[in-house]
Amino acid sequence: GDSVTQMEGPVTLSEEAFLTINCTYTATGYPSLFWYVQYPGEGLQLLLKATKADDKGSNKGFEATYRKETTSFHLEKGSVQVSDSAVYFCALRPRMDSSYKLIFGSGTRLLVRP
Amino acid sequence: DTAVSQTPKYLVTQMGNDKSIKCEQNLGHDTMYWYKQDSKKFLKIMFSYNNKELIINETVPNRFSPKSPDKAHLNLHINSLELGDSAVYFCASSRDRPNTEAFFGQGTRLTVV
Repeated sequence: GDSVTQMEGPVTLSEEAFLTINCTYTATGYPSLFWYVQYPGEGLQLLLKATKADDKGSNKGFEATYRKETTSFHLEKGSVQVSDSAVYFCALRPRMDSSYKLIFGSGTRLLVRP
Repeated sequence: DTAVSQTPKYLVTQMGNDKSIKCEQNLGHDTMYWYKQDSKKFLKIMFSYNNKELIINETVPNRFSPKSPDKAHLNLHINSLELGDSAVYFCASSRDRPNTEAFFGQGTRLTVV
């Protein structure tokens, strides 16, 4: 079945460091891909998305490119801030699934130190 | 305006009790979901409803019964609560298009003691 694999955390970085969180997927056809962020004690918020191959999603300095060849959607940010500390989830939405459900990776906790 | 709202935010109850969590969305979406997040933050879909009709029931014990009185509401009733039911439950909604995102509520932290 369809699935998402994320790098295990926690990822600990100093402020202004470069961030990469790896995400790969297995799916039939070409799903839509998403990154969600969960701040402590809160729900999930959409960070960015890409709906077809080679699309780049971007928001708040974060970017991810839909790579069909490597079935990947890695999240990057050039300079992280303490306020970016959160749990990040990669997710896919199968294109040919009448349930429209999101399938999530296991989440990666990011801790940014001052 | 809160797009997806669920109540209560916290719920502490004893084993064996019955409890309900309510969810409402004001986005005009046709599809609503319940997800369970365990202590390791793993998110798993429980139910999906489209236009008030059940689409997915992902091998959830039948102690869990969703009810959708209309497209804007999806409630979750849990009978005979067990310790293992302790988790954070998220309601979400989306348009029924594969290239659109889902919007999540703030979550209900259920603790069974």
